[in-house]
Amino acid sequence: GESVGLHLPTLSVQEGDNSIINCAYSNSASDYFIWYKQESGKGPQFIIDIRSNMDKRQGQRVTVLLNKTVKHLSLQIAATQPGDSAVYFCAENGGATNKLIFGTGTLLAIQP
Amino acid sequence: GAVVSQHPSRVICKSGTSVKIECRSLDFQATTMFWYRQFPKQSLMLMATSNEGSKATYEQGVEKDKFLINHASLTLSTLTVTSAHPEDSSFYICSAEGARGDEQFFGPGTRLTVL
Repeated sequence: GESVGLHLPTLSVQEGDNSIINCAYSNSASDYFIWYKQESGKGPQFIIDIRSNMDKRQGQRVTVLLNKTVKHLSLQIAATQPGDSAVYFCAENGGATNKLIFGTGTLLAIQP
Repeated sequence: GAVVSQHPSRVICKSGTSVKIECRSLDFQATTMFWYRQFPKQSLMLMATSNEGSKATYEQGVEKDKFLINHASLTLSTLTVTSAHPEDSSFYICSAEGARGDEQFFGPGTRLTVL
């Protein structure tokens, strides 16, 4: 099914700390997952992706973890910087389709 | 590479008028493009899948006669909001499907305000 966001959860972290943003996805058939960053008034920006045959993938300062058993995805951002302030969305592909289903989104707020 | 543009970036129109939004893949060809709508503090909701040379596929609850989609070339899809009303005010975002088939490259979005 589709995720409809009526609220925007907020994660507040101190600059320099690590951030962990969580996402519960909806479709057990999904085999491709992406994290996007969206700054105010802009389109989503690709951060990192992971396929269902993996449980961890690392990029530059970011790590995505996938737990298929509980349908959970997380994004870890190391040494959070002011430029990381944005809304972060997870997205799943729903299995056989090329359509993306977006999660609710989490606002990451950086405290100086 | 994989740059997607949208035009205009923002538009204000009167109720009852029609507005056209363009989505272009600048450095690659896209057989498939997607149109999303995003209300404030909410997630992206897929409106329709636009296929070059064929009719668009609309998601449940999206009126195809109100949101006209044309994908006449491999680099351009247009969304026309017909007889726009204030409740159509939203952030409209397009994406273009990459060659791999499961990746989408997003445009910068178009802010539509209907007075």
